[in-house]
Amino acid sequence: AQSVTQLDSHVSVSEGTPVLLRCNYSSSYSPSLFWYVQHPNKGLQLLLKYTSAATLVKGINGFEAEFKKSETSFHLTKPSAHMSDAAEYFCVVRGGSGNTGKLIFGQGTTLQVKP
Amino acid sequence: KAGVTQTPRYLIKTRGQQVTLSCSPISGHRSVSWYQQTPGQGLQFLFEYFSETQRNKGNFPGRFSGRQFSNSRSEMNVSTLELGDSALYLCASSGGDRGPNTGELFFGEGSRLTVL
Repeated sequence: AQSVTQLDSHVSVSEGTPVLLRCNYSSSYSPSLFWYVQHPNKGLQLLLKYTSAATLVKGINGFEAEFKKSETSFHLTKPSAHMSDAAEYFCVVRGGSGNTGKLIFGQGTTLQVKP
Repeated sequence: KAGVTQTPRYLIKTRGQQVTLSCSPISGHRSVSWYQQTPGQGLQFLFEYFSETQRNKGNFPGRFSGRQFSNSRSEMNVSTLELGDSALYLCASSGGDRGPNTGELFFGEGSRLTVL
């Protein structure tokens, strides 16, 4: 069965410093992995996705993530945090085979960006 | 292109009542999924509909049900409401075709249900 674990429930950084949000996954087959962001009182927006192509995935707003099979990790990074990055971030694995709508979410990491 | 539309955005019910939430997917999308988001349990998958058929189901009691219409619009219903059903209910749509192409899910802004 698939699962994801987000290693930090809360991360605080200063504006302009790097961001690292950590995610480990468990999957019995080659996974599809995603990072979603949720701003307050909003729905979720896809940041990036890994679908067994390049292991370094670039997303929107300067975010990227690297798929490391040996470490079963899919950490999200950004070189320089912006105030607008403050939000809840979810690491997600697709449950089931093929392109289905069943996603398994991590518990989320709240990113705080200090001025 | 209009995004995923959920109605109502906010609603308050009392225990024992039932509620119906609606979701209009992005035009052309055939898959609609529903998720429950609570502070304690996080985001949990409820069910997915594709071409009017339930394709996947999460671990929720039978009080939670859904359906999809021929125009891909979907509704979910919760009967005999309990206090613990208070949550943000999110709908997501995608093309939904099976196969190796793993498409993006597009989420609505949710329906926030409060059960008193």
